Amino acid sequence: QKEVEQDPGPLSVPEGAIVSLNCTYSNSAFQYFMWYRQYSRKGPELLMYTYSSGNKEDGRFTAQVDKSSKYISLFIRDSQPSDSATYLCAMSSKAAGNKLTFGGGTRVLVKP
Amino acid sequence: DADVTQTPRNRITKTGKRIMLECSQTKGHDRMYWYRQDPGLGLRLIYYSFDVKDINKGEISDGYSVSRQAQAKFSLSLESAIPNQTALYFCATSEGSGGYTFGSGTRLTVV
Repeated sequence: QKEVEQDPGPLSVPEGAIVSLNCTYSNSAFQYFMWYRQYSRKGPELLMYTYSSGNKEDGRFTAQVDKSSKYISLFIRDSQPSDSATYLCAMSSKAAGNKLTFGGGTRVLVKP
Repeated sequence: DADVTQTPRNRITKTGKRIMLECSQTKGHDRMYWYRQDPGLGLRLIYYSFDVKDINKGEISDGYSVSRQAQAKFSLSLESAIPNQTALYFCATSEGSGGYTFGSGTRLTVV
C-alpha cells in the first residue's frame, strides 16, 4: 500500500462548479502538507502549503488538513477552464528530513 | 530566466548509452532533488542532496548516479540506459521545510 493515496481521476466538472480533491495517508509523522498543480508538459508548481491540522484559504483555493483522520482536501471554487490540470498532494515530516512524498495526482478537466 | 533550469528538454537515446541530465537553480537553496514521473506512479525520488557534500539515495536509485558540482548544479546520469528508464525527469530545489520549486522536466526516451 502506498504511503499517500490519491484518486487518479479524471474528474470532469462544468465551469463554475466546485472542484473537490483529496488524499489519504498512512504516516502519522507527516506534518507539512502541500498541493501542487501540474499542467501538461510542465513541472509541478506549489499551490497551497499548510502546517499541521486546519484550514487555509487563498483566493478560490481552500486546503484542509485533518490529521486525526489522515485526510487532506483541496477545494477550488468557481472553477475555470484554466484550472484544468493534474493536482498532486504532497507531505513531509521533519523526522524524514522534510523530503516530500507525493500522491499519484488527480487529473481535473473543467469544461466551458 | 527560470528558477530551475533543466537540460535537455527532450532526449532520445539508445539502450546501453550513457546519458547525463543537467539541472541548475538560481534560488540559492541548499537542497536539490531528482524525481522521475511515470503515468500512474506519480513522482518518485531518485536522489537528493541537502548540500554540496551531501548525496543520498532515494527510493529508486538503482541504475542512476548523481553529481553535485556546486550549490546551484545537480546532474543525474544514467550509466547504461535501458528502456524502462523512459520517463519524465524533474529536478527540484527547496529550503528547509518549504515547498519545492521544480524545473520544466526532461522527457527521456530509451529505445
